[in-house]
Amino acid sequence: AQSVTQPDIHITVSEGASLELRCNYSYGATPYLFWYVQSPGQGLQLLLKYFSGDTLVQGIKGFEAEFKRSQSSFNLRKPSVHWSDAAEYFCAVVHTGGFKTIFGAGTRLFVKA
Amino acid sequence: DAGITQSPRYKITETGRQVTLMCHQTWSHSYMFWYRQDLGHGLRLIYYSAAADITDKGEVPDGYVVSRSKTENFPLTLESATRSQTSVYFCASSGIAGAPDTQYFGPGTRLTVL
Repeated sequence: AQSVTQPDIHITVSEGASLELRCNYSYGATPYLFWYVQSPGQGLQLLLKYFSGDTLVQGIKGFEAEFKRSQSSFNLRKPSVHWSDAAEYFCAVVHTGGFKTIFGAGTRLFVKA
Repeated sequence: DAGITQSPRYKITETGRQVTLMCHQTWSHSYMFWYRQDLGHGLRLIYYSAAADITDKGEVPDGYVVSRSKTENFPLTLESATRSQTSVYFCASSGIAGAPDTQYFGPGTRLTVL
């Protein structure tokens, strides 16, 4: 069965520091991969997605993610975190040929001044 | 330009009562989804729909019923609410038929079952 693992329940970084949020998936083939962000009291918003092609994808708000097939990973990065990035981040997977999405449990990001 | 809306935003009910959560989207998206969000579990799919009159179970469908008579509406009914159904419920829609794509989420409904 497909699964998505986000190993870090929460992460705290200083404003201006770099960020990497980890995501590992379990699936036999290359799935479609997504990162969503959820601000407090809000629904989820897409940050970026990977379907095929260049394994480094750019998203909104200065985020990027890199697909590594050999590691079954799709880690999210940002070179310099802003206080407004404090939110919960979800990695998600959809298998090719389908549309049911499996979400990870989420990583809550705290940003300290 | 409403996008996807959910109502009510907050609901308190009692065990055993029937509750219906509404979801409406203005994009004519083919796919619609219902998720519940609980601490430590992320989002879990309850039901989804590929088109009007086509629905199917997700990961946690027990105790829930859905219908989709019109493309734009996808109500979720809890036939006899239980405390374990206290959660935040999100509706989402996605546009491209036959292919996975970005899901657009509503603002959520916080349901408390006493």
